[in-house]
Amino acid sequence: SAVISQKPSRDICQRGTSLTIQCQVDSQVTMMFWYRQQPGQSLTLIATANQGSEATYESGFVIDKFPISRPNLTFSTLTVSNMSPEDSSIYLCSVEDWAGDLRRKGYTFGSGTRLTVV
Amino acid sequence: AQRVTQPEKLLSVFKGAPVELKCNYSYSGSPELFWYVQYSRQRLQLLLRHISRESIKGFTADLNKGETSFHLKKPFAQEEDSAMYYCALEYGNKLVFGAGTILRVKS
Repeated sequence: SAVISQKPSRDICQRGTSLTIQCQVDSQVTMMFWYRQQPGQSLTLIATANQGSEATYESGFVIDKFPISRPNLTFSTLTVSNMSPEDSSIYLCSVEDWAGDLRRKGYTFGSGTRLTVV
Repeated sequence: AQRVTQPEKLLSVFKGAPVELKCNYSYSGSPELFWYVQYSRQRLQLLLRHISRESIKGFTADLNKGETSFHLKKPFAQEEDSAMYYCALEYGNKLVFGAGTILRVKS
């Protein structure tokens, strides 16, 4: 299955600043996904990033707040802009992983970025 | 709307006891369901998927469309099973996660 490297693993940021999170995959993938996990909550999909097109955002998430780049088939970044304490969460990237066999289909996740905004 | 419900935040069992982690879903289409597990200080990883009807680490899960359930079961819990378990529903290449259940296996 795909191996994902995500960084930084954690950061403490001042409110009003921005943080860019990087996600690198060891194989070419069509779609990459960004999730947020707020404290004590489950994972919520922020957006889907396809190479060569604008990311598709879920309800409640906007490009100005969470701009995403997808310059090639193995890399993506998520920026958390103009941060406030409410943005303190774990952010995870994910890729679809199935090698063409539906019985082996799943999604692989990065190790996450734990963001604290002070 | 698509929804996954895991009614138990915490399930505590003794080693060797049977385990059942409940998952109910709401989806009008044909569901693709997964169980993910997160052990302490490790990343989220796929445990099993309904389409392959497999058994992983002794865990099984059967899709019951009539009850819209996908409960995770293991006949004899082990201490190393202690972790956070998430049920997830896939639709249109998106995953919707349940709130998760912490499984604690006591010795």
